Amino acid sequence: ILNVEQSPQSLHVQEGDSTNFTCSFPSSNFYALHWYRWETAKSPEALFVMTLNGDEKKKGRISATLNTKEGYSYLYIKGSQPEDSATYLCASEKNRDDKIIFGKGTRLHILP
Amino acid sequence: NAGVTQTPKFQVLKTGQSMTLQCAQDMNHEYMSWYRQDPGMGLRLIHYSVGAGITDQGEVPNGYNVSRSTTEDFPLRLLSAAPSQTSVYFCASRRRTGPDQPQHFGDGTRLSIL
Repeated sequence: ILNVEQSPQSLHVQEGDSTNFTCSFPSSNFYALHWYRWETAKSPEALFVMTLNGDEKKKGRISATLNTKEGYSYLYIKGSQPEDSATYLCASEKNRDDKIIFGKGTRLHILP
Repeated sequence: NAGVTQTPKFQVLKTGQSMTLQCAQDMNHEYMSWYRQDPGMGLRLIHYSVGAGITDQGEVPNGYNVSRSTTEDFPLRLLSAAPSQTSVYFCASRRRTGPDQPQHFGDGTRLSIL
């Protein structure tokens, strides 16, 4: 993996269902992995910054896991609600004071 | 607490004109960055800075200049605007104290080049 890649590009989920999506990043020279939530017409808001292999972070119904050896992170949303509709971005850092590079995002639509 | 402030919010330019997008933060963050957002492309890094007097190129630096004379301000300059620079521009800042610091984003500047 040379760049930060996110899948799927877009996702439609029924309200109340749980869902997850993936961020793949270069596993060499890993420093940190960021997740952001981005609502239309607003600015991105930080969800998590993860640094340790095997780490899991949680904020309400949203959680994330990190595998630095294989270069992937999962974001999970439990019991999707309409307010979860947004684009979810991940970003990777290789070293301290280095570039923070984003993937293209996963656009999540929650269906009522 | 104002956070990250970007001005202007909207701007229309003609091809060849120059302008400066302003970004200021009041959180004493050392690390600042500029991104552009284009449909289907996510956020692409233009330039970034780890402190006053230090700047470096990102993924798409061509056509843009930056400087960092103070910790608070990180202006982005378009010397000769081109239609390909029509985009929404976001400025962000963060602490450098450790790897677990998130970026804080401004509200964006929507720029149209005619």
